[in-house]
Amino acid sequence: EAAVTQSPRSKVAVTGGKVTLSCHQTNNHDYMYWYRQDTGHGLRLIHYSYVADSTEKGDIPDGYKASRPSQENFSLILELASLSQTAVYFCASSLSSYEQYFGPGTRLTVL
Amino acid sequence: GQQVQQSPASLVLQEGENAELQCNFSTSLNSMQWFYQRPGGSLVSLFYNPSGTKHSGRLTSTTVIKERRSSLHISSSQTTDSGTYLCALDSGGNYKPTFGKGTSLVVHP
Repeated sequence: EAAVTQSPRSKVAVTGGKVTLSCHQTNNHDYMYWYRQDTGHGLRLIHYSYVADSTEKGDIPDGYKASRPSQENFSLILELASLSQTAVYFCASSLSSYEQYFGPGTRLTVL
Repeated sequence: GQQVQQSPASLVLQEGENAELQCNFSTSLNSMQWFYQRPGGSLVSLFYNPSGTKHSGRLTSTTVIKERRSSLHISSSQTTDSGTYLCALDSGGNYKPTFGKGTSLVVHP
């Protein structure tokens, strides 16, 4: 069974602060993704990566950076957190274009 | 970009009834996946089905590329089927999935 873990599972941040969300997979998958989920919007792709040391912009990359230092780890960085970035964030991995496996999610609240 | 429409947006059933959920897309299809999500929960993969029909217990997924649609059929619904069902697809090139907004299903006892 594929394994994707996320940390922290929940976080409260202050406006203007820096937030780092981490994702770790033990599937030996090449692709990794960061999504955010908001009521009424479903899941939207923020950044993704198909190889270590390289990241690609998704559909809503503004205000977010991503880092893939190794095949197993993928981080999402909010340099200056804003109220509008309050959401649930999901990480996923996949082997090339095949099925995705999701982590448990991180609930981020920006005050 | 790829447009993904899920219907219905919400559905209420009595236990034992069947359900048909639809996912329609606007361009070519490279991959199609159906997920189940409980409120506040993570996504559980139900099917990876880019074409044809697949079965798993009471669930059946059918993807017809020519008609640009994929469906999820739930037979003999149970209260534990309540939750949100999401489809995600990619139209090719670098894998960059697009999700539909989901169908919210409530099954009453």
